[in-house]
Amino acid sequence: DSGVTQTPKHLITATGQRVTLRCSPRSGDLSVYWYQQSLDQGLQFLIQYYNGEERAKGNILERFSAQQFPDLHSELNLSSLELGDSALYFCASSYSGGRETQYFGPGTRLLVL
Amino acid sequence: AQSVTQLDSQVPVFEEAPVELRCNYSSSVSVYLFWYVQYPNQGLQLLLKYLSGSTLVESINGFEAEFNKSQTSFHLRKPSVHISDTAEYFCAVSEGGYQKVTFGTGTKLHVIP
Repeated sequence: DSGVTQTPKHLITATGQRVTLRCSPRSGDLSVYWYQQSLDQGLQFLIQYYNGEERAKGNILERFSAQQFPDLHSELNLSSLELGDSALYFCASSYSGGRETQYFGPGTRLLVL
Repeated sequence: AQSVTQLDSQVPVFEEAPVELRCNYSSSVSVYLFWYVQYPNQGLQLLLKYLSGSTLVESINGFEAEFNKSQTSFHLRKPSVHISDTAEYFCAVSEGGYQKVTFGTGTKLHVIP
């Protein structure tokens, strides 16, 4: 158990819909990262937050957005969903970033039908 | 910008045989290097990391990796693999500070009994 929690574990929805994925980092960690893992694209970094502020951006689509709240939990919002958005979405946390170990949550498996 | 290349997408190897998973990185500054492992249906977890000091780093389960600055490599090795080592292995690089960690595309290690 990494100490990072993600909800829900599974999500099935239809194209065009909007979903919210939630992540609670390890106690004491200030940085949260979001990743998308799919069979065709592999592991893709989406976005990083540090203490409530966006720190780095990766291959995140404009239909996707994220935020980190004052209690440090984070939410990833996916809208206008397409079939290709079906993937495993991981959240990870670390104390600050860079040289530190990232601790990964168990992931949310999203299926868009 | 930093990048990571894992040339082998899949590596089959017989049990008790040695294995090497290759990783090359590209960066214009000093880097921190990581290997993460993902067992089936789980999130990623840190296997080992190089931050500074000795260029040879070891994990608790017999893996080791050597930082080679001249060849910009951080290959992962194990002298004798076990069935339980079957997993996907990701090499990652960071330029430190608040910089994001860049992951490679992963290498699936399949240990054959």
